[in-house]
Amino acid sequence: AQKVTQAQTEISVVEKEDVTLDCVYETRDTTYYLFWYKQPPSGELVFLIRRNSFDEQNEISGRYSWNFQKSTSSFNFTITASQVVDSAVYFCALSEDNNAGNMLTFGGGTRLMVKP
Amino acid sequence: GAGVSQSPRYKVAKRGQDVALRCDPISGHVSLFWYQQALGQGPEFLTYFQNEAQLDKSGLPSDRFFAERPEGSVSTLKIQRTQQEDSAVYLCASSVAGSSYNEQFFGPGTRLTVL
Repeated sequence: AQKVTQAQTEISVVEKEDVTLDCVYETRDTTYYLFWYKQPPSGELVFLIRRNSFDEQNEISGRYSWNFQKSTSSFNFTITASQVVDSAVYFCALSEDNNAGNMLTFGGGTRLMVKP
Repeated sequence: GAGVSQSPRYKVAKRGQDVALRCDPISGHVSLFWYQQALGQGPEFLTYFQNEAQLDKSGLPSDRFFAERPEGSVSTLKIQRTQQEDSAVYLCASSVAGSSYNEQFFGPGTRLTVL
């Protein structure tokens, strides 16, 4: 069965600091997809990125970057030069390719607070 | 509409009441999902539809929970004889096709409080 663990329940940083959110996953499948979602105070989950299990290239999008390492089953998310607007709960999620339901398995989330 | 919409946004029910939660997915999206999010936790899968067919209901916590999508678009999640432990945010998501690859687009959720 698949499982996603986000060990950091809450992180507090001061604006302009860099911050890394950790995500560790478990799956028996060789083909799977990893996602990061942002949940601002409004409650709506916002899709940030998707990675498939065969693509270990790191990705950068503006201030956001993702580090996918199959050897350690991790998919970490780094925000560079954090801003107050980055304050939200961030969820890492996993979907297995043989999962007939295509459901997402979420981690418990990391609440990020960026203080001015 | 442009995104997934859910109604009502907030629902307060007395224990034992039945409730119905509605989800309008993005037009043309084949797949529709329901998740339950307890306070301070990540969303947990409840059920999945591909068009009008309910392909997976393994996450429904009890037979008091029932979901339908009769015409392959709007979906309703019904909870009978609500209990306090049903208090949570119920999230609906849709995706364009039935593949694990496709990202899911989420609605704002319905916050259910059972007194």
